[in-house]
Amino acid sequence: SAVISQKPSRDICQRGTSLTIQCQVDSQVTMMFWYRQQPGQSLTLIATANQGSEATYESGFVIDKFPISRPNLTFSTLTVSNMSPEDSSIYLCSVRNGMNTEAFFGQGTRLTVV
Amino acid sequence: KQEVTQIPAALSVPEGENLVLNCSFTDSAIYNLQWFRQDPGKGLTSLLLIQSSQREQTSGRLNASLDKSSGRSTLYIAASQPGDSATYLCAVSVKEGYQKVTFGTGTKLQVIP
Repeated sequence: SAVISQKPSRDICQRGTSLTIQCQVDSQVTMMFWYRQQPGQSLTLIATANQGSEATYESGFVIDKFPISRPNLTFSTLTVSNMSPEDSSIYLCSVRNGMNTEAFFGQGTRLTVV
Repeated sequence: KQEVTQIPAALSVPEGENLVLNCSFTDSAIYNLQWFRQDPGKGLTSLLLIQSSQREQTSGRLNASLDKSSGRSTLYIAASQPGDSATYLCAVSVKEGYQKVTFGTGTKLQVIP
């Protein structure tokens, strides 16, 4: 299994500002993902973080709003840009070490935009 | 497009009772199905992973079954405890691209002491 550390665990931010969330894994993993969980809802995939190249975004999510970096096989960041109250959610980092393997999640970042 | 549904949405049972959570998916072309639990405001903890070629997996008091042809999975919890109270999510890994994972709607379980 992989141990995933996400920072910050929670934050309260002013609208119009940006927040960068970090995801650190204790071992190299091939696949890293970012999810959003809006209040009372299930998880929605934002994008796949690709090591050394641009992330692959799901429909409805764009790079300008959610820029993602993945400089190596153990670390990724997600930035939530120009925040509005609608961005208030839990953001989760997930990893898998190869196709058809178990997925593991960080503890999430609870973001509140005021 | 894969859709994953969980029934019931919420469940309240007395401690000690055996219970079953249901998960259904619309596209049977999956690689695997995974069950998670999520405590309030927290991340997800992996419980069981069932590969598409498997029929069931067991871990302690948990048993998950998979019927891929009918698009169904069940999570059986034996002798429930108050510590089992959480939201349970199933997720399927579909056969496209990088195996996108689609999550179910979740079942919120409360075990009453």
